[in-house]
Amino acid sequence: DAGVIQSPRHEVTEMGQEVTLRCKPISGHDYLFWYRQTMMRGLELLIYFNNNVPIDDSGMPEDRFSAKMPNASFSTLKIQPSEPRDSAVYFCASAGAGAYGNTIYFGEGSWLTVV
Amino acid sequence: GENVEQHPSTLSVQEGDSAVIKCTYSDSASNYFPWYKQELGKRPQLIIDIRSNVGEKKDQRIAVTLNKTAKHFSLHITETQPEDSAVYFCAASMESGGSYIPTFGRGTSLIVHP
Repeated sequence: DAGVIQSPRHEVTEMGQEVTLRCKPISGHDYLFWYRQTMMRGLELLIYFNNNVPIDDSGMPEDRFSAKMPNASFSTLKIQPSEPRDSAVYFCASAGAGAYGNTIYFGEGSWLTVV
Repeated sequence: GENVEQHPSTLSVQEGDSAVIKCTYSDSASNYFPWYKQELGKRPQLIIDIRSNVGEKKDQRIAVTLNKTAKHFSLHITETQPEDSAVYFCAASMESGGSYIPTFGRGTSLIVHP
């Protein structure tokens, strides 16, 4: 398996523009997570899905952020409108279900810079 | 919800020395504690984990210990090497809907000087 695949790897955009980050989880994984990483706040869980259904979005910072998972192999995280404080690395991750403890597999991240 | 505190935020050691990173958690229901390593510019990757029914686990030069009573757990790296330089994240997890959703600490930046 190619692992969790994210795109774009790097994006520079102007304040006010819409940003869409994409993720393909590992095939067969039931859980998909979106994390944001910054120096100030570390790794923050934004939202996670189980079987394509959003379970907990309490980490989504505000209404400018939205996430969807239309099918088991694709998810998007959208920021509209973007602001400079949204600059961060956004990781998508996936995990299987069952067992006693699960390994979370991270993608390589999308490095977002909003100017 | 769960709260995980991790210390120190930065740790600098000489090659060959040992390094210890400590974490505390708040929710006694947490029962799975993974550690992730993130090299510069890379993704976090699981390096070791411990479940609440054991007190210690070792894998070559790394070991984790867990004190459920005190609600703290630690990562120990012996004979450190420059390639151990990275950010290390601890996490505490509890079962939720068939999986374990981790709450991560803020991370420790380990620097190993040759």
